[in-house]
Amino acid sequence: DGGITQSPKYLFRKEGQNVTLSCEQNLNHDAMYWYRQDPGQGLRLIYYSQIVNDFQKGDIAEGYSVSREKKESFPLTVTSAQKNPTAFYLCASSTITGGELNTEAFFGQGTRLTVV
Amino acid sequence: AQTVTQSQPEMSVQEAETVTLSCTYDTSESDYYLFWYKQPPSRQMILVIRQEAYKQQNATENRFSVNFQKAAKSFSLKISDSQLGDAAMYFCAEGGGAQKLVFGQGTRLTINP
Repeated sequence: DGGITQSPKYLFRKEGQNVTLSCEQNLNHDAMYWYRQDPGQGLRLIYYSQIVNDFQKGDIAEGYSVSREKKESFPLTVTSAQKNPTAFYLCASSTITGGELNTEAFFGQGTRLTVV
Repeated sequence: AQTVTQSQPEMSVQEAETVTLSCTYDTSESDYYLFWYKQPPSRQMILVIRQEAYKQQNATENRFSVNFQKAAKSFSLKISDSQLGDAAMYFCAEGGGAQKLVFGQGTRLTINP
């Protein structure tokens, strides 16, 4: 079955540690996205990538890093520089046709990160 | 810059009634697409409906329809014959030539039996 998989579902991090959230898709999608969801603030874009080895900062990239070494994978690292990392993180992917994002984005089931 | 605004943090409706969720957006792109997503308590994002900006005809999907006003940059979602399973967070989103998908803050919809 094609889809997008995030792991782990729950993640606990000690203050000062870096953690990496996994996102894998087998939909052959060009674009991949990372969003952060906090109560009352909707989905805020962290990073996005339209092609392998290239990515762009979203609205809240500070304290996060990403890589896109393979089309299928777009891991997100939450660094110790992120002051308030406790949140729900969603990964998504979509196709780009004619240079435009014009189809629905498919989402993973999310990772709940908690700083302890 | 792309921005999407949902001005209704919460809405409620009686079962079987009709409810409209509001969304406004701003974009410098000439070609773009608008979406409504539903997020139930499971937190899985589900596409409800999609509208191409170059189409004047409003999109419909069964009980869900949109009122797309391009000049006003407005994209509201109408849910007819509301059902208990419609209770969820609803997010408006815009994507297109900038190749990134931007979401609004969401509206929590409650269905009263």
